Amino acid sequence: EAQVTQNPRYLITVTGKKLTVTCSQNMNHEYMSWYRQDPGLGLRQIYYSMNVEVTDKGDVPEGYKVSRKEKRNFPLILESPSPNQTSLYFCASSLSVLNYGYTFGSGTRLTVV
Amino acid sequence: RKEVEQDPGPFNVPEGATVAFNCTYSNSASQSFFWYRQDCRKEPKLLMSVYSSGNEDGRFTAQLNRASQYISLLIRDSKLSDSATYLCVVLKGTDSWGKLQFGAGTQVVVTP
Repeated sequence: EAQVTQNPRYLITVTGKKLTVTCSQNMNHEYMSWYRQDPGLGLRQIYYSMNVEVTDKGDVPEGYKVSRKEKRNFPLILESPSPNQTSLYFCASSLSVLNYGYTFGSGTRLTVV
Repeated sequence: RKEVEQDPGPFNVPEGATVAFNCTYSNSASQSFFWYRQDCRKEPKLLMSVYSSGNEDGRFTAQLNRASQYISLLIRDSKLSDSATYLCVVLKGTDSWGKLQFGAGTQVVVTP
């Protein structure tokens, strides 16, 4: 089944403890992206990647890192999480954003206390 | 001003009725437009692309008005299962890797 898989689905962590949210897609898509969703603000792009080893900042990249060492994987790294990073995170991938938009993963609900 | 603006609703719609709502965008150079559907706390799912000439997919009709910079979604013969939040999405730029800009969503509640 074609899908984008994120893990974990739920995570509660403490301020400053490094964490990684994994994202994997099995559709051979070149384009991948991370979004966060907060009430009233909609989805905001954190980082995106056009291909292996090619990444760029989205609208809200502060406090996040990403890597794209393989086409299928695009992990999101929070080196020192803070409470304002409490949010619902979505990973997404696309064959062509222009034509097809994104396919989203099921989301990761992160709480930083 | 937000780049993509939507009426948050909720739009309360009797089952079987028609509901329509708009979304405005600020970048006149935007080329691609989409409607996504999001159920509570779940991932957004592509509902339909919006083409310049307007397009229909079953009970759903999407329209684009470039002059006034808005897109619309109309749902006919509403079903209970249409209850969801509908996200307006606009592509910034014209490259195939362009960034999608999401509206905050319009909530639709279909009642029996």
